[in-house]
This record gives sequence, C-alpha cells and structure tokens, in this order.
Amino acid sequence: AQSVTQLDSHVSVSEGTPVLLRCNYSSSYSPSLFWYVQHPNKGLQLLLKYTSAATLVKGINGFEAEFKKSETSFHLTKPSAHMSDAAEYFCVVTPSGPGAGSYQLTFGKGTKLSVIP
Amino acid sequence: DAGVIQSPRHEVTEMGQEVTLRCKPISGHDYLFWYRQTMMRGLELLIYFNNNVPIDDSGMPEDRFSAKMPNASFSTLKIQPSEPRDSAVYFCASSRPGLAGDNEQFFGPGTRLTVL
Repeated sequence: AQSVTQLDSHVSVSEGTPVLLRCNYSSSYSPSLFWYVQHPNKGLQLLLKYTSAATLVKGINGFEAEFKKSETSFHLTKPSAHMSDAAEYFCVVTPSGPGAGSYQLTFGKGTKLSVIP
Repeated sequence: DAGVIQSPRHEVTEMGQEVTLRCKPISGHDYLFWYRQTMMRGLELLIYFNNNVPIDDSGMPEDRFSAKMPNASFSTLKIQPSEPRDSAVYFCASSRPGLAGDNEQFFGPGTRLTVL
C-alpha cells in the first residue's frame, strides 16, 4: 500500500523568496517519487523524479527535491520564486523496479502555489 | 516527439448524449492511462492498458463509461449516456517503464468536458 500527504493545500510566497512545498509518503515497496506541475488549464508536466539514485534530485526551472527515507519525505524547494511558478504541484509515489509499469501512481491532493509580485 | 495528443480539447454536450474522447500516446510507449480530474476528487485513475490490453478498469465509475485501445497509437474513452456529474477534465497519459521500472508517465493536455 502507498499514500502521499501534501501538507499544505495552498502556499503563498513573494517573488524572489524561497519556495518549500512539503510532501510525506508511505510505501510498502521501494518507491519512485515524482513532482508534477500543472499550470492553469494545462496538463501535468514532470518537474523531477527520484528513482533510487541520488537522493538530491534536480529538476526543471530551478526546482529540486531531497529524498529522506528516515523522514519519509520528498519536499520540493526552489531558492527564488518567479511569477511563472504560480501553479498547482502534485507529489506522486509509486513502486519502482521491474514490473513497475503495472503499479498505479498515487497522487497527493496538490498544493497551489501563489507568487506575489 | 509531439507528446501525448488528446482531442477534443474542450467538449460541451447535453445530458444523455454520447461523448467520445480520443488519445494518441507517445510512439513506443506500451502503457496508456486514462484519468479524471475534478475539484472534489482530485486525480483519479479510470483505466489503464498494457500493449493495448485493458489491465485494470476498477476506476471506471459505472457501465456508462467504456474505453478501448484498438492499436498501439490510439485509444478512446466513451461515455454513453453522459450526465452533468461527468463534467471534469479527462487526461490521457502514457509510459514505457522498461526493465529499469521507471514509472514516469507523460500526460496529454486534457479534455475539458462539460455536460449540461
């Protein structure tokens, strides 16, 4: 079984300040973890993924996330927010390894990020 | 690559009408997924296919919903008859996990369905 908890439904930051979107997960298996971003009226775009390689993962647009097994966390960060970062962000967990294609992605409920000019 | 292609992007129909949503996955991907997104329920997996064969349709809400994948490059999701509560954004996604088991899914832009 697996689950994802995004700890904040809405985060508001000022442009140029750091971004922290929190995600905790549980999984009975060795997990793969993803962050997807969804801009208004758009599809989901992969920001970054962890698949049991380096625990600090760098993604697109300056985002990064750190896999912390002891804390079962995969928080998303960015040093300096930009107006274009305003969107909804989804943390996703799924089992990894052979046969993983048969496993469902488990989505968090999403965190809406607002960036104040 | 053009990515996952969905059509139509927007669909407005009246209750009781048949609706067909279409998806073209990324070439070479052997898994295809249909999701529904609503404010109340978030993202829900409806059904997924592997090599054109439906594997798990437990997320399909009821018999009014059906999905097919006649070949590796095309899938449809049909609702007949449609109801106002079917109004949502429907996403198609595809993946190619391979031996490494990387389960990254690539999403299409979605079809926004409104049933009046």
